Amino acid sequence: GQQLNQSPQSMFIQEGEDVSMNCTSSSIFNTWLWYKQEPGEGPVLLIALYKAGELTSNGRLTAQFGITRKDSFLNISASIPSDVGIYFCAGQTRGSNYKLTFGKGTLLTVNP
Amino acid sequence: GAVVSQHPSRVICKSGTSVKIECRSLDFQATTMFWYRQFPKQSLMLMATSNEGSKATYEQGVEKDKFLINHASLTLSTLTVTSAHPEDSSFYICSARVSAGGGTQYFGPGTRLTVL
Repeated sequence: GQQLNQSPQSMFIQEGEDVSMNCTSSSIFNTWLWYKQEPGEGPVLLIALYKAGELTSNGRLTAQFGITRKDSFLNISASIPSDVGIYFCAGQTRGSNYKLTFGKGTLLTVNP
Repeated sequence: GAVVSQHPSRVICKSGTSVKIECRSLDFQATTMFWYRQFPKQSLMLMATSNEGSKATYEQGVEKDKFLINHASLTLSTLTVTSAHPEDSSFYICSARVSAGGGTQYFGPGTRLTVL
């Protein structure tokens, strides 16, 4: 089946620094999604990408859908303490009944 | 918009009892809802896909007789963990796909199940 490789597994950064994380897949996805999960909560959708090459921003967050459709990255600029959490990428293919395949997550810690 | 609720948020039960978890889409209709479980420090694992008015589709290795899913309306799906055992203790999360919105899924806040 499809597998997503998400990296890095964890990051420890200082407040104000920029962050970059990415996901790669062994096969093509039609949609890439980025979620953030805080302890004891469900994932919250950050950005959804629907077209290869698409670059989308949501405040300090920017994500891109790779041209090959096998990868995506998420950047966070000027990190703040409330950015702490686990970030998950997820891919989706048409005809899969909209099932999501999740990456293993990137744990982000921001030191004030 | 696109709010999904779950109830209860936490439940503690004795081994052998059954527990029902509700998932509701509050401000949109959801033809399809999904149920996941998540163990500590791990990613979400899809258990089943729930389509309104039809039987759920279970992922490989998930016992359909143990995890009963009902999706009786476009805004409500329920997951019942039957004869729960301690190994069923986990964080259960549902998501709902906006019927008119392609494949984007919105997640509920999760239900922490502890089986004693």
